[in-house]
Amino acid sequence: NAGVMQNPRHLVRRRGQEARLRCSPMKGHSHVYWYRQLPEEGLKFMVYLQKENIIDESGMPKERFSAEFPKEGPSILRIQQVVRGDSAAYFCASSPEGPRNIQYFGAGTRLSVL
Amino acid sequence: GEDVEQSLFLSVREGDSSVINCTYTDSSSTYLYWYKQEPGAGLQLLTYIFSNMDMKQDQRLTVLLNKKDKHLSLRIADTQTGDSAIYFCAESLYGQNFVFGPGTRLSVLP
Repeated sequence: NAGVMQNPRHLVRRRGQEARLRCSPMKGHSHVYWYRQLPEEGLKFMVYLQKENIIDESGMPKERFSAEFPKEGPSILRIQQVVRGDSAAYFCASSPEGPRNIQYFGAGTRLSVL
Repeated sequence: GEDVEQSLFLSVREGDSSVINCTYTDSSSTYLYWYKQEPGAGLQLLTYIFSNMDMKQDQRLTVLLNKKDKHLSLRIADTQTGDSAIYFCAESLYGQNFVFGPGTRLSVLP
């Protein structure tokens, strides 16, 4: 059973470009969470999605950031017009149906904005 | 809002026990977790405890929960160099609204 898969592992963008981060949850998991980790800091919750629905986006910046989890395919975290401050590690986690007590994390995507 | 606090650094000698402490503010938390993050890697769930428990042991790991003081600790017995990592404490309410601490960087000295 493959774990949570994130790609790319490393992403370099210039200021003003778009960044697309992909997350495939564990098999059988229908809940996806995105977190951001700034250097030397803990994880900050961004958004929680189920298939085709955004359940909680209270941690998402109001502009430039969006997330989706379509019926087919991976969840996508999209950052438009990236700025230096977006440089961080972005982690995806997934959990199964039913009691969602455990979140399993991917290895993360490290975004560097030049 | 919810807050989770941890000391940022801990150094121990190989073979000694490590105790990593965490305090949280949300008394309605139902689950508390310890995750381990090695350099350049994602978070690995080490263990978790229900809020109605006060202790959980799993091989070299012992978790103690003092719900009254909202204090959680992780004890690693016979600490090895492979235990060097950042350890994150986290809380959740029925698996939602995960809140993570800033992480404790454990350094194991030979």
